[in-house]
Amino acid sequence: ELKVEQNPLFLSMQEGKNYTIYCNYSTTSDRLYWYRQDPGKSLESLFVLLSNGAVKQEGRLMASLDTKARLSTLHITAAVHDLSATYFCAVDIRNAGGTSYGKLTFGQGTILTVHP
Amino acid sequence: DAMVIQNPRYQVTQFGKPVTLSCSQTLNHNVMYWYQQKSSQAPKLLFHYYDKDFNNEADTPDNFQSRRPNTSFCFLDIRSPGLGDAAMYLCATSSRPERGYTFGSGTRLTVV
Repeated sequence: ELKVEQNPLFLSMQEGKNYTIYCNYSTTSDRLYWYRQDPGKSLESLFVLLSNGAVKQEGRLMASLDTKARLSTLHITAAVHDLSATYFCAVDIRNAGGTSYGKLTFGQGTILTVHP
Repeated sequence: DAMVIQNPRYQVTQFGKPVTLSCSQTLNHNVMYWYQQKSSQAPKLLFHYYDKDFNNEADTPDNFQSRRPNTSFCFLDIRSPGLGDAAMYLCATSSRPERGYTFGSGTRLTVV
């Protein structure tokens, strides 16, 4: 059974600081997704990472994927209050034949709060 | 804009009274998913349709059913809602996983 674990689960940051959220998963996969969720809202896609060594950046967020270590990171640079939200990573696994199941298994989520 | 639309945004139903949530898409994606997200938890996949092929997750309760009458629409039926079924229900679509998944705005279900 695929397990996806994020840490930390709660992150309180000061504006202007940097921090990293980690996402570990238990089964071989080369597809990892990051989502943002604001309270009471749906999921907003942030990044799609499709290969070992993939790195993507958007604004103050940068995501990377190391498939050998089964680890993805979401790095926050110079945090601002608007980044306060819950961040989820999700993994899409393939079957033995290499075909994607096309199903996401989510981590527990990291609740990020950015303080002035 | 092409999108995934869920109706209603908020649904209140009585304990044991059947309820249907709907999802429509203009993306022409062949795969549609229903996720359940309880408060402060991660989304959990209930089932998905690959075209007309229905795929149920092993731990999805029998109380939950789904219909997909055509490519654009997918429904989630809860036959006898219990208090434990109160959650946000998220519909998502995909054409190819490497292109990502598009989520609807969700329906928040309250059971009274």
